[in-house]
Amino acid sequence: GENVEQHPSTLSVQEGDSAVIKCTYSDSASNYFPWYKQELGKRPQLIIDIRSNVGEKKDQRIAVTLNKTAKHFSLHITETQPEDSAVYFCAENGIKAAGNKLTFGGGTRVLVKP
Amino acid sequence: DAGVIQSPRHEVTEMGQEVTLRCKPISGHDYLFWYRQTMMRGLELLIYFNNNVPIDDSGMPEDRFSAKMPNASFSTLKIQPSEPRDSAVYFCASSPSGSRVEQFFGPGTRLTVL
Repeated sequence: GENVEQHPSTLSVQEGDSAVIKCTYSDSASNYFPWYKQELGKRPQLIIDIRSNVGEKKDQRIAVTLNKTAKHFSLHITETQPEDSAVYFCAENGIKAAGNKLTFGGGTRVLVKP
Repeated sequence: DAGVIQSPRHEVTEMGQEVTLRCKPISGHDYLFWYRQTMMRGLELLIYFNNNVPIDDSGMPEDRFSAKMPNASFSTLKIQPSEPRDSAVYFCASSPSGSRVEQFFGPGTRLTVL
């Protein structure tokens, strides 16, 4: 069935360093991989997504890479800042599911230390 | 647009009581999702609707949980009777049609069952 493994579960980095979060999935037909950021006490919000026809996408300090052969995708945050501290969730759409259903990973709590 | 609207924002109730959570999706969105978030289980999809019709309710934990969507602008999630283990943050999200589109989350309802 659908399954998304996300690692690590917690990540502590020094301000200015990079942070990398990795997710693996099982549905080979998945073709959409979004990342959501959830600040403390707030709702999850989309920060970047990638579709299966590209291998990498960048938006300022964040980037996502996709390896469909290995069935994994990663979020990269460069030059981390305190406001990057949040929980990050990866997700995939899993074509076996009808409609717009997303399966989310377990989340990574990122702490950026000043 | 005001975004996805949920009410109440906080609910404290006693075990055995009925709880009703409400959601108004973004106008024009065809899909509506109900999620539950806890520290232990992360972000779980409970049920989702397409054009007001329930598509997948496999995530609904028990018969105590029910959800309805009587029209395109309103949905409810009901728990009856409530139990302490139902304490969580319940999010409603909506999205337009398309298999690779963003889900927009509401602010959530924090439910505490004593």
